[in-house]
Amino acid sequence: GDSVTQMEGPVTLSEEAFLTINCTYTATGYPSLFWYVQYPGEGLQLLLKATKADDKGSNKGFEATYRKETTSFHLEKGSVQVSDSAVYFCALSDPPGGGADGLTFGKGTHLIIQP
Amino acid sequence: NAGVTQTPKFRVLKTGQSMTLLCAQDMNHEYMYWYRQDPGMGLRLIHYSVGEGTTAKGEVPDGYNVSRLKKQNFLLGLESAAPSQTSVYFCASKTPRRMNTEAFFGQGTRLTVV
Repeated sequence: GDSVTQMEGPVTLSEEAFLTINCTYTATGYPSLFWYVQYPGEGLQLLLKATKADDKGSNKGFEATYRKETTSFHLEKGSVQVSDSAVYFCALSDPPGGGADGLTFGKGTHLIIQP
Repeated sequence: NAGVTQTPKFRVLKTGQSMTLLCAQDMNHEYMYWYRQDPGMGLRLIHYSVGEGTTAKGEVPDGYNVSRLKKQNFLLGLESAAPSQTSVYFCASKTPRRMNTEAFFGQGTRLTVV
């Protein structure tokens, strides 16, 4: 079956540091890929997505590129802020068009940014 | 913009009690889901529905039942709560349109079974 593997945390960085959170996946089809963010006490919000190989999703300074050859979708940000402290989930939808059985999630990476 | 609304937000149950969690969405989405979130486990799918009157089992369905009597509502029931069901529960919905597969989530229900 489908699966998503991401680095677990907590990951602790200083403000303005460069961030990379690794995500790799296995899928039977050609999935769409997502990063969701969960701020403390809240639900999940879509951060960015990519639907085909070499697509780059971006939002709020975060970026991730769909790498089919390495089955990866790593999340990056050039300069993190304290407000980026949250839990980040990598997820896939397979098949991409109508995954009725929902998204497959990684276990989440807890990111802590220190001032 | 309400989106996906879950009630209640918090609940404490005694072992053996029953309860129903309500999820309502106002986006006219066909698909709805219930997940549970546990530390170190990520989100796991409990049950889902692809339309009014339909339901299906997900990864961890035991101990839960669901109903989708109206398109906008998806109910999750616990008939006899157990401490292992202590978790945060999230409802989500999405459209099945091909290039728009984002799922929208509710704020969550934190359930403690003592």
